[in-house]
Amino acid sequence: GDSVTQMEGPVTLSEEAFLTINCTYTATGYPSLFWYVQYPGEGLQLLLKATKADDKGSNKGFEATYRKETTSFHLEKGSVQVSDSAVYFCALSDPSLSSASKIIFGSGTRLSIRP
Amino acid sequence: GAGVSQSPSNKVTEKGKDVELRCDPISGHTALYWYRQSLGQGLEFLIYFQGNSAPDKSGLPSDRFSAERTGGSVSTLTIQRTQQEDSAVYLCASSLDWANSPLHFGNGTRLTVT
Repeated sequence: GDSVTQMEGPVTLSEEAFLTINCTYTATGYPSLFWYVQYPGEGLQLLLKATKADDKGSNKGFEATYRKETTSFHLEKGSVQVSDSAVYFCALSDPSLSSASKIIFGSGTRLSIRP
Repeated sequence: GAGVSQSPSNKVTEKGKDVELRCDPISGHTALYWYRQSLGQGLEFLIYFQGNSAPDKSGLPSDRFSAERTGGSVSTLTIQRTQQEDSAVYLCASSLDWANSPLHFGNGTRLTVT
């Protein structure tokens, strides 16, 4: 079945460091891929998305490229800030599946940025 | 416009009591989802509504859990005879449809069963 695997946290970086959070997936069909972010005390919110191979999603300095050949959607940011401290979830939505199980979330990666 | 609204934001209840959690989705969103997030864990899917019907209840952990949605809008998740293992944050999300539209989440209800 479909699945999403993302790197385990916590990830701790210094401010202005380069960030990569790895995400790989398996899917039956042709999924859309998403990164959601959960700031402390808040609900999840969409960070970025990509709907087909080679698409790049970007928002707030974060980027992720849909790589079909490696089945990956790694999240990157060139220079992180303290305000980026949050939990990041990789997710896919596979239209070939017939129920809400078509939306699959990874287990989340907690990111902490030191000033 | 308003986002997804959940109430209460926090609920402390005694073991064995029933609780009701409410979700008010974004107006016009036909799909509504309930997830559970335990401390340090990922998202556990509970149930999904398309309009007022629930085609997928596969995630409900036991028959103590039930949910309904009326008027294609507000949804209520009910947990009967709560147990300590039910303690978690219950998240509601809505989306425009059930295709590839992104989910819009509420801030969740933190349930603590003592």
